[in-house]
Amino acid sequence: GAGVSQSPSNKVTEKGKDVELRCDPISGHTALYWYRQSLGQGLEFLIYFQGNSAPDKSGLPSDRFSAERTGGSVSTLTIQRTQQEDSAVYLCASSLDWLGGATNEKLFFGSGTQLSVL
Amino acid sequence: AQKITQTQPGMFVQEKEAVTLDCTYDTSDPSYGLFWYKQPSSGEMIFLIYQGSYDQQNATEGRYSLNFQKARKSANLVISASQLGDSAMYFCAMREGGNSGNTPLVFGKGTRLSVIA
Repeated sequence: GAGVSQSPSNKVTEKGKDVELRCDPISGHTALYWYRQSLGQGLEFLIYFQGNSAPDKSGLPSDRFSAERTGGSVSTLTIQRTQQEDSAVYLCASSLDWLGGATNEKLFFGSGTQLSVL
Repeated sequence: AQKITQTQPGMFVQEKEAVTLDCTYDTSDPSYGLFWYKQPSSGEMIFLIYQGSYDQQNATEGRYSLNFQKARKSANLVISASQLGDSAMYFCAMREGGNSGNTPLVFGKGTRLSVIA
């Protein structure tokens, strides 16, 4: 596709339910990032992928959070047993590569998934 | 410890004036990249400018320039001739590491810039 696509754009769920957030990066981009942004706050790093591998999972807030990427393309972020503090905008971004300067590393962001846990 | 520090939660600037947004970073890695992104109220994240740690000259992109002071570990964004459309959140970010590349891009907490007519 032309840009990074995230779905759903909005998700309202009840506390304790599981949710899956999807990210479809720009074709050919090898690096994929997940961030979380609470209202009016900065971007909290969650996890990133080089191809299908996730070298750094240190940003995942708890073991209720997991992510995978298959075929070097689509990624899914899963939150199990959602809590109210999980409410935020979840942003996905991709880049051509994970190093090599601006051309390679420039992140292209999706529009985000607004998650609301009631 | 914070890797990226943006000490100005909010800034105001008069239209057509220049403004400097501060960013300091913390790393012991000799190889790193510094980025600035803009987030308007619409929520989209827009790449503005990049500075590599080995770049000899300060990066410039149109009205944006990066005042890179390596010894002080600062990478301030300078916006010249501010426009009303520049009103947004501005985030500084850093990626550490050279060929290993095994470090993610981390962001500061941001500075909200408001341009006044």
